[in-house]
This record gives sequence, structure tokens and C-alpha cells, in this order.
Amino acid sequence: EDQVTQSPEALRLQEGESSSLNCSYTVSGLRGLFWYRQDPGKGPEFLFTLYSAGEEKEKERLKATLTKKESFLHITAPKPEDSATYLCAVQAYGTASKLTFGTGTRLQVTL
Amino acid sequence: DVKVTQSSRYLVKRTGEKVFLECVQDMDHENMFWYRQDPGLGLRLIYFSYDVKMKEKGDIPEGYSVSREKKERFSLILESASTNQTSMYLCASSLGAGGKETQYFGPGTRLLVL
Repeated sequence: EDQVTQSPEALRLQEGESSSLNCSYTVSGLRGLFWYRQDPGKGPEFLFTLYSAGEEKEKERLKATLTKKESFLHITAPKPEDSATYLCAVQAYGTASKLTFGTGTRLQVTL
Repeated sequence: DVKVTQSSRYLVKRTGEKVFLECVQDMDHENMFWYRQDPGLGLRLIYFSYDVKMKEKGDIPEGYSVSREKKERFSLILESASTNQTSMYLCASSLGAGGKETQYFGPGTRLLVL
């Protein structure tokens, strides 16, 4: 059974204080790993897809990386508007497009 | 841009009522999905559909049914609502080209069953 574990559950940073969120996964054959951002009371917003170990993708202050067992979402010099819950999900081969989600990391960035 | 819309943002229903949640996507996507999201449990797949009139059970289909009569529309039905179905319901769609694909989500419907 595919599993996704995200850590930490919650993270509080000061503005400008860089950090990383972790997503550990076990999957029979990784088709893709997805990162989403979710604001309170809203649907998840797509950020990145990573397909193979060693791949990296960047968007503004966010950078996602992938190894064979985990993915990191690096946040560089965060701002208060980066406060949100970040979700990680995996898609395995042979699962007909299904995603398995982690429970998320709730990030708060303060002034 | 992909747009996924859901019929209601908030719903309050009574136990035993039949509840319809509708989802519409405007990008001609093949696949559509229904999830529920609960604190500490994350997103769990209820049902999905990879074509019109086709459906497959997800991880937690009990107490739910779905309907997909048109490609752009996917409905979730609670035949007889119960209090344990109080949750945030999220619809998503993906291209479904058989390759690597991203799911795009709607804004969610927060359902309260009294």
C-alpha cells in the first residue's frame, strides 16, 4: 500500500528564516510526486510535479527536490503570504491516476 | 487556466436527507475525482471517473454514489446523510492522457450534517 508521511506537522518561521518541509513516501513504482498549497477553507493549489530522483523545480521562494525515498520543499526567505498548509501526494504506476496524500505541513510565517 | 467549480461552498443538511454535490470542469479533462478532507486524516479518495458513465471506487466509497452523465460534470450523492459525513468535500480533474498528469482542485464544499 502506498504511504506518504509529511513532517513536521506544523512549522512556525519568522519572515526571512529559510527552512525545509519533508515528504517521505513508499510506493510500488513512482509515477509522480506532487506538491500542493492549501489556504484555509480553500481547495489545494498545484505547485510542482517531480517525476524522477534528482529532479528539482523552483517557483519564486519555493524549491522542490526528489530522492528515491523522499521529497523536500525548501522555502527561502519566506514571507507571511507563504503561510498555508503544504500537501504532498504520490501517484504510482498501475493505480489509474489515483493520488495518495500526506496529511500536510501547516506553515506559519510571522513578521 | 483549468477551472473546477463546485455547486456550493457551504451546505447544512439533516440526517437522512439525500445530498447532491456537483462539480464542473471546463478543460475537457477525462478524469474526475471526489475526495473528502478531515483534520488529521488528509484527503481520502471517495470515487473517481475516467470517462463518461464510468466510475471506480476509491478508498472510502461506503455511503456515497456518483454520477457522470456528461464529460464536464461529476456528481457526488449521499443517499442518506449521516453526521459522520460532515466534512470538506473536494472535487478534482485531470487530463487523463494516460501519462503523467496533475489533478486540479475546486474550491471545496463544506458540508455539515445535523
